[in-house]
Amino acid sequence: IQMTQSPSSVSASVGDRVTITCRASQDISIWLAWYQQKPGKGPKLLIFDASSLQSGVPSRFSGSGSGTDFTLTISSLQPEDFATYFCQQASGFPLTFGGGTKVEF
Amino acid sequence: EVQLVESGGVVVQPGGSLRLSCAASGFTFDHYPMHWVRQVPGKGLEWVSLITWDGTTTYYTDSVKGRFTISRDDNENSLYLQMNSLRTEDTALYYCAKDPRSGSYIMDVWGQGTTVTVSS
Repeated sequence: IQMTQSPSSVSASVGDRVTITCRASQDISIWLAWYQQKPGKGPKLLIFDASSLQSGVPSRFSGSGSGTDFTLTISSLQPEDFATYFCQQASGFPLTFGGGTKVEF
Repeated sequence: EVQLVESGGVVVQPGGSLRLSCAASGFTFDHYPMHWVRQVPGKGLEWVSLITWDGTTTYYTDSVKGRFTISRDDNENSLYLQMNSLRTEDTALYYCAKDPRSGSYIMDVWGQGTTVTVSS
């Protein structure tokens, strides 16, 4: 299953609303996760099952979608949110990730 | 604190072998499936392998099938990746990651990674 993320990078400012899209090459139902990765660190799980917020993740992060089209939204960008974001399908093997979206100034 | 610490990454020649280790702490290791995921620096993430909580079932991405073997030692709270017939394209940072529950196929805790370089 191919996962296509867009955009590959986005320029934003603190307080902006940021939306990242992930498209699957076939129907994956709700089996999608979103991760945040900062330089030199392992990824951090933000969202699972397309829209469920992982414990401890701020509520400004939200996920939506089902089937083939999914969205990660950051409602009001904070300084600590500048990072790279990846989607991952959990519907079938091999598990696959999107190419990533870098959120930068 | 839930923690995963990878080790064993080195520089190895093409065709060589290597075993990566991942030491787990802060959770009941034998209750959870575990993954290996790799990342070429500056590039995306590639899932490599999964082992179920009881070690009875393993999964691999196609490019490593027959070359890599995932295993676990619940007595040692450790995950392993035996890597044989290494290729230059296996060069990457290798992460171990915990799956929050059987059948979820996601990763809720990640280590800091260990670097494998395959080069002559």
